[in-house]
Amino acid sequence: GQQVMQIPQYQHVQEGEDFTTYCNSSTTLSNIQWYKQRPGGHPVFLIQLVKSGEVKKQKRLTFQFGEAKKNSSLHITATQTTDVGTYFCAAPVGYKLSFGAGTTVTVRA
Amino acid sequence: SAVISQKPSRDICQRGTSLTIQCQVDSQVTMMFWYRQQPGQSLTLIATANQGSEATYESGFVIDKFPISRPNLTFSTLTVSNMSPEDSSIYLCSVRSDFYEQYFGPGTRLTVT
Repeated sequence: GQQVMQIPQYQHVQEGEDFTTYCNSSTTLSNIQWYKQRPGGHPVFLIQLVKSGEVKKQKRLTFQFGEAKKNSSLHITATQTTDVGTYFCAAPVGYKLSFGAGTTVTVRA
Repeated sequence: SAVISQKPSRDICQRGTSLTIQCQVDSQVTMMFWYRQQPGQSLTLIATANQGSEATYESGFVIDKFPISRPNLTFSTLTVSNMSPEDSSIYLCSVRSDFYEQYFGPGTRLTVT
């Protein structure tokens, strides 16, 4: 089964608004990764968080790793149509990655 | 980052037949991963392919159904055997960097009729 739980499954956002997607684990994670998959595309690596409480930004995207390293969030500000897609978090299980169910984002213009 | 190509990009196959998917990486890698992604779903790992040894399959996937070859450090194939409509899916190969992030090929979109 999946090691990480992701919510919400779907996010319908008005263009220009902010939203957040969350990733939770019952166990402490060594790191958490985030991927984006555009419609019809393949998953693309966005970022990896390793340290407790780590915060990283990529333009309008802010990624956080919880203090206990059991949860993570992705916050997007001023959503644009280019943000459409599915965002997956993923956590290592040995040499493999366990992917969350993903949050599929649609944007209303 | 690695550049990964897959062939074919898509195919429509009859039930009972087999399809072999090829994955080529532009650099030598120890592990290659094969995933399945059913419509609207997350990624499910099928197996891990190491050069020079048999692939390691995840629970629910067996070698007879999904034989894998890994003849060298830049290439792998996944065969979907004796296909049924339930095998309709996207099949993705992936490699892991030294920093543990994964890079994916463009995927093979398979439809079984």
